[in-house]
Amino acid sequence: EDQVTQSPEALRLQEGESSSLNCSYTVSGLRGLFWYRQDPGKGPEFLFTLYSAGEEKEKERLKATLTKKESFLHITAPKPEDSATYLCAPRVNAGGTSYGKLTFGQGTILTVHP
Amino acid sequence: SQTIHQWPATLVQPVGSPLSLECTVEGTSNPNLYWYRQAAGRGLQLLFYSVGIGQISSEVPQNLSASRPQDRQFILSSKKLLLSDSGFYLCAWSREGTQRGYTFGSGTRLTVV
Repeated sequence: EDQVTQSPEALRLQEGESSSLNCSYTVSGLRGLFWYRQDPGKGPEFLFTLYSAGEEKEKERLKATLTKKESFLHITAPKPEDSATYLCAPRVNAGGTSYGKLTFGQGTILTVHP
Repeated sequence: SQTIHQWPATLVQPVGSPLSLECTVEGTSNPNLYWYRQAAGRGLQLLFYSVGIGQISSEVPQNLSASRPQDRQFILSSKKLLLSDSGFYLCAWSREGTQRGYTFGSGTRLTVV
């Protein structure tokens, strides 16, 4: 069974205090790993796609990295507006078909205090 | 550009009442469509996905059903709601080969009372 674990469950940072979020996964047939940001009461918003171990993607204060078993979302000098829930989702084959589906972790709730 | 519409935004329904949530996608054809549920403090659970008209796959047994009567329309239904059906329901679409994964709608907050 595919499993995705995100840690920590919640993270409180002071503005400017850098940190990292972890996403560990055990899946078969990985076809990429996705990171999303979700604000309260809204649908998740796409951040990054990573396809192979060693790959890195950056966007403003966020950088995502991928290894064979986990992914990290690094947040450099965060601001209060970075407060949100961050979700990771490996993409795997569904039912032996070529169709891919995303399996989401439970998310990390990030709060950045001014 | 592609857009996804989901309604209503909030819904309060009594136990035992029926449910119909609708999702439509604009600006693309032959999308893969998905229904997810997010319980309070929990991750997203895939309920149904569809790769074409009339083609529905269920991920978990439950009190809900889904239908796809048109290429860009996805409907989530229940004949009789349970308290445990409360949650945040999200519709999403994707295309094979896209690098953006899924694009989500704004969600429906369902409270069963």
